[in-house]
Amino acid sequence: QSVLTQPPSASATPGQRVTISCSGSSSNIGSNHVHWYQQHPKTAPKLVIYRTDERPSGVPDRLSGSKSGTSASLAISGLRSEDEADYYCTTWDDSLSGWVFGGGTKVTVL
Amino acid sequence: QVQLVESGGGLVKPGGSLRLSCAASGFSFSDYYMYWIRQAPGKGLEWISYISGSSRNIYYADSVKGRFTISRDSAKNSLYLQMNTLRVEDTAVYYCARGGRSFLDPFDYSGQGTLVTVSS
Repeated sequence: QSVLTQPPSASATPGQRVTISCSGSSSNIGSNHVHWYQQHPKTAPKLVIYRTDERPSGVPDRLSGSKSGTSASLAISGLRSEDEADYYCTTWDDSLSGWVFGGGTKVTVL
Repeated sequence: QVQLVESGGGLVKPGGSLRLSCAASGFSFSDYYMYWIRQAPGKGLEWISYISGSSRNIYYADSVKGRFTISRDSAKNSLYLQMNTLRVEDTAVYYCARGGRSFLDPFDYSGQGTLVTVSS
C-alpha cells in the first residue's frame, strides 16, 4: 500500500488530454513539492516534472503539473504514442521523514 | 554529460551479502546528494537510501534500515550500497541516482540499474 495514491491506469486517444492524480496528506503533498517520473518498459525512470510544476530541459510543454491541497496532478495534452509509459509521483513525507512514491499509473494511448 | 553506471548485482542466497557500486562522471560528484532507488519485478519504485555530498546526512527506508549501508568515495567519484542479510523481497533492479544540493531535491539522472536476485 503506497503512501501516495495514484489510479493504476489511464488512457486516451492520440491528440487528447489525459490527467493523472496523486493523492496524499498534509504531511507529504500538503507541505512539500511533488515530482513526477516517466518510465518506459525496461528503462530507467526519467524526471518530467519537478517542484510541482517545473519542467526539466527537453521535456515538452504538453506535460504540466499542478497541486491543490493534498492532491497533485500530471496532465498530458496532445497525447502521442511516445507518452505511453508508467508515471510515478513522489514527494517528501514530514511524518515519515522520508521519500514516498505513488504506486504508478500506466498511461495507454488507444 | 552526466553518467551513472551501476555494477555488482547478481544472484545471492537469502541471508547473503552483496555490494553495489555506482561510477559517476560528468558532474562535480561531491556537490550532490546521491540516492539508491529500487524496483521489484513488475512493481513500482521505492526510495531506499540517500547520502549527502559530505556523507554527513544519510537516510534509509525502514525496509532496509540496519541491513544496508550507503557510502561514497569522492576521490573515486563512486557511490556504494553494502547489502547484508538479504531477503527474497530485496529482489529488484537497483538504480543509482543523482539528487541535488538538498535532500528535498528529486533525482534528475539515474543509471540503467543493476539486477539483484535473492533466491535459494
